[in-house]
Amino acid sequence: EVQLVESGGGLIQPGGSLRLSCAASGFTVSSKYMSWVRQAPGKGLDWVSLIYSGGNTYYADSVKGRFTISRDNSKNTLYLQMNSLRAEDTAVYYCARFTVTGIFFDYWGQGTLVTVSS
Amino acid sequence: QSALTQPASVSGSPGQSITISCTGTSSDVGSYNLVSWYQQHPGKAPKLMIYEGSKRPSGVSNRFSGSKSGNTASLTISGLQAEDEADYYCCSYAGSTTGVVFGGGTKLTVL
Repeated sequence: EVQLVESGGGLIQPGGSLRLSCAASGFTVSSKYMSWVRQAPGKGLDWVSLIYSGGNTYYADSVKGRFTISRDNSKNTLYLQMNSLRAEDTAVYYCARFTVTGIFFDYWGQGTLVTVSS
Repeated sequence: QSALTQPASVSGSPGQSITISCTGTSSDVGSYNLVSWYQQHPGKAPKLMIYEGSKRPSGVSNRFSGSKSGNTASLTISGLQAEDEADYYCCSYAGSTTGVVFGGGTKLTVL
């Protein structure tokens, strides 16, 4: 059974840094495309970042240069390093498995809340 | 402002059918048959309901169907049930530079 479990969210001051984790089970993270999608309170879904199985990474313009997606194959875990955080980054962050052949997210974690506030 | 336009809300009575539209442009919905739809209950993670425009993942009820005409994709739910009450989001491929774009979401109320 595929499971994704995020952790690492919390309250952080503007300008601060946070690292989110997404522990996967039921499949191998390194063999799949993985993504982060966020949802601001009361708002819609917003794609953040994607990592290919080959290691290439892609980012939304709103986070480029501040966020870094990575993975630890030995731990079967996906990460999102978030630096220079802004109030507008406040959201629930979901990790999701991405199927590139059909361009869709087939499995999602339960999400972790990041609140950027002083 | 979301890249894809969805109605903010739709409603229907149990047993009825409803359709949620998702309007994009010739750069996304109109160019690719790669629209997916997600159901999200309050406080829960999104769930894939339709992919590649009209395909259903295993386990999703056949009451859910997807289609596309021009720059607009649609999600139809037939035989509405109380459990269908949720937010629904469309998503489309928008080319190698932009990647994927989401709609703003539609709140479905089952009366």
